[in-house]
Amino acid sequence: KQEVTQIPAALSVPEGENLVLNCSFTDSAIYNLQWFRQDPGKGLTSLLLIQSSQREQTSGRLNASLDKSSGRSTLYIAASQPGDSATYLCASPAGQGGKLIFGQGTELSVKP
Amino acid sequence: KAGVTQTPRYLIKTRGQQVTLSCSPISGHRSVSWYQQTPGQGLQFLFEYFSETQRNKGNFPGRFSGRQFSNSRSEMNVSTLELGDSALYLCASSPLAGGTTDTQYFGPGTRLTVL
Repeated sequence: KQEVTQIPAALSVPEGENLVLNCSFTDSAIYNLQWFRQDPGKGLTSLLLIQSSQREQTSGRLNASLDKSSGRSTLYIAASQPGDSATYLCASPAGQGGKLIFGQGTELSVKP
Repeated sequence: KAGVTQTPRYLIKTRGQQVTLSCSPISGHRSVSWYQQTPGQGLQFLFEYFSETQRNKGNFPGRFSGRQFSNSRSEMNVSTLELGDSALYLCASSPLAGGTTDTQYFGPGTRLTVL
């Protein structure tokens, strides 16, 4: 049974800093891993999806990596901005179909 | 393309009532999933529909039910509401089989408050 964990629950950094968010999963037979962003009271915005055959994906200032052997994924945010402040969630499919298992999220605050 | 839409955006109900939430997926998407989000439990999977059939179901009581129509729109229903049902209910759609290789796209959610 897949379990997904995100540590820390909250992170505060000054503007301009590069940062890494962590995601751990228990089942290395992972299909893919998806990173989302959620602003307060809003829905989820998909940021990056890494297939099991890939090691990383990049979009703008974001880079996500996947290491199945260690059961870890990281989301790297370069040159953070106050607009990056949000909760970041990672999720993995629980087998076939549309069921995603989510971590509890990391609440990021970027201070001007 | 228009994104995933959910109606209504906000609902206030009292204990014992029932409620129906609606989700319209992105055009062409056949898989629709529902999630409940609460501060204590985080995001929990409710169920998934694909081509009008429930394909996956989470660990929720039978008071939670759903359906999907031939145009892929989906509804979920919660009967005999309890205070603990207060949550943000999110709907997600994906193009094909969903889950294994497809990105899921989420709607803005319906905020349900049970008094």
